[in-house]
Amino acid sequence: QVQLVQSGSELKNPGASVKVSCKASGYTFSTYAMIWVRQAPGQGLEWMGWINTNTGNPTYAQDFTGRFVFSLDTSLSTTFLQISSLKAEDTAVYYCARNRGHYGLDVWGQGTTVTVSS
Amino acid sequence: QSVLTQPPSVSGAPGQRVTISCTGSSSNIGAGYDVHWYQQLPGTAPKLLIYGDSNRPSGVPDRFSGSKSGTSASLAITGLQAEDEADYYCQSYDSTLSDRLFGGGTKLTVL
Repeated sequence: QVQLVQSGSELKNPGASVKVSCKASGYTFSTYAMIWVRQAPGQGLEWMGWINTNTGNPTYAQDFTGRFVFSLDTSLSTTFLQISSLKAEDTAVYYCARNRGHYGLDVWGQGTTVTVSS
Repeated sequence: QSVLTQPPSVSGAPGQRVTISCTGSSSNIGAGYDVHWYQQLPGTAPKLLIYGDSNRPSGVPDRFSGSKSGTSASLAITGLQAEDEADYYCQSYDSTLSDRLFGGGTKLTVL
């Protein structure tokens, strides 16, 4: 079946980096773009941006430029989110989701909790 | 203040009908861009509930329906059940931002 499986929870010190993975299965990986969403504790969903799984070209939302990098490994059908120079306010659950355009974000990963604390 | 405005909370008794609004502008909903709705049960990932303004994915009960008029969209839930207690988010595209975005979310409480 179609699914997205994300890597496990991370606990990081401020200033460190983290790389979250999102492995797709059950469909042709390069057919649909992958998006990333942040959800801070007790807060709503924030659109972080998306990556073209055909070309690898990323597009970042305004609030997610500079320290956030989307990348791919098409041989593994996996998308990555890397966050550098971590701050306490990066503490959140990060979700990947498949973007089917008119058909919405139809498949979601289970979420990865990133906690930034010393 | 989100570009797509939702009420922070709504509530209803079991069996009742509730609606959740998503108010935008001429650069998003009013421009005709698709509106999608997601349900997020406590402690879980969001789930697609309505796509393309008013379409239900396979497996979503017909108690859930979506509509759009002018610069607003609405999600209606009829025959409210305890299991519907969740957060609901609308999502669309905004031409001024040149990007997609979510509404602020609405917490549904079943009394």
